[in-house]
Amino acid sequence: GAVVSQHPSRVICKSGTSVKIECRSLDFQATTMFWYRQFPKQSLMLMATSNEGSKATYEQGVEKDKFLINHASLTLSTLTVTSAHPEDSSFYICSAELAGDQETQYFGPGTRLLVL
Amino acid sequence: LAKTTQPISMDSYEGQEVNITCSHNNIATNDYITWYQQFPSQGPRFIIQGYKTKVTNEVASLFIPADRKSSTLSLPRVSLSDTAVYYCLVGDPRAEGGKLIFGQGTELSVKP
Repeated sequence: GAVVSQHPSRVICKSGTSVKIECRSLDFQATTMFWYRQFPKQSLMLMATSNEGSKATYEQGVEKDKFLINHASLTLSTLTVTSAHPEDSSFYICSAELAGDQETQYFGPGTRLLVL
Repeated sequence: LAKTTQPISMDSYEGQEVNITCSHNNIATNDYITWYQQFPSQGPRFIIQGYKTKVTNEVASLFIPADRKSSTLSLPRVSLSDTAVYYCLVGDPRAEGGKLIFGQGTELSVKP
């Protein structure tokens, strides 16, 4: 149980285009999902907290207009990287918190984004 | 959220017990200690969580001294597949919306 999926697993896009990444909790409801970014050989950096039915909360330094987050249902959150540039190339990981249980987060497999 | 300090890297051999210690001097009363494992190009995986004393599951043990200013993740008889980065996180899962702040982690390399 408690499986989180991400789609796509890998994406290559041209500079200036927008890319949407989906995060789904497959067998549980998640009122809260989190988005992280990880550069090579570095730790995970929390980008934003996504709450179902409300606006996402962004960490300091993360541009909300560039990284659009939508959490429209209890099983789906999307991250859209708008006008992507090469410096946005990274590994994007989401996690989901089981509704009613804040003690454990379940992570997705990650999405590798390469912007050319 | 309490800051954590871990060794950047550790080496071990198959079959050995590996202990990774994490320092968290500023741990708060309501903070829990959680360890995650991450393989390359994958999301982190929950290993174990504890508040005090000792916790054991099928994967690892977590030792927490009385002052809770440090904790030790113990992996019994490691294999090559245990090569990964291990993160120690300290925080109150019910505070700040449950968000996790990852430190640098410990890169464990298991050799044959």
